[in-house]
Amino acid sequence: NAGVTQTPKFRVLKTGQSMTLLCAQDMNHEYMYWYRQDPGMGLRLIHYSVGEGTTAKGEVPDGYNVSRLKKQNFLLGLESAAPSQTSVYFCASSYSSLKFETQYFGPGTRLLVL
Amino acid sequence: DQQVKQNSPSLSVQEGRISILNCDYTNSMFDYFLWYKKYPAEGPTFLISISSIKDKNEDGRFTVFLNKSAKHLSLHIVPSQPGDSAVYFCAASPAGGTSYGKLTFGQGTILTVHP
Repeated sequence: NAGVTQTPKFRVLKTGQSMTLLCAQDMNHEYMYWYRQDPGMGLRLIHYSVGEGTTAKGEVPDGYNVSRLKKQNFLLGLESAAPSQTSVYFCASSYSSLKFETQYFGPGTRLLVL
Repeated sequence: DQQVKQNSPSLSVQEGRISILNCDYTNSMFDYFLWYKKYPAEGPTFLISISSIKDKNEDGRFTVFLNKSAKHLSLHIVPSQPGDSAVYFCAASPAGGTSYGKLTFGQGTILTVHP
């Protein structure tokens, strides 16, 4: 099993450009999440999904959109990138929403917006 | 407002000694706490957790202590090994049966274990 994979690993964007980050998991997990990690701060939840075709806002959703068309994939979109979106983005998945259910994280995507 | 705080950005320990990583929280609605470990260029991996109904949970070399009255938890690693060198995040989850990924993370502590 590959677990949780993220594409791309690194990207540089200019302000105003758009891009999509792809997260894929092969563990048949229902729940998927997108986090961002910034220096001096912990991971913060951007959006999450409780199943195929569903999405919901997390703590810091502004400037991002998501889609979960297939159970195994969770896409994070930036329609008009801003320098404030320079960050490391982590995707995670879990089998259920129970709090003791472990979240499995991908290796991250480092995004630089100039 | 940082609801989960790890006030020590870094910690350096000699191999074989004890590593103690600390975490404080302010939200009394948190009732489940976790520690994640992160190596460079990798995602965080779950290490150990504790429910608020307990004050201690052990898993091999790792023990998490919870002091609810002080809103403080700590992770003890005994004995520390060079392979433990990583960033450690504590995280908290609110009360209720499901969390929907609503974990609040601390800023992380970089642990370096010297041979």
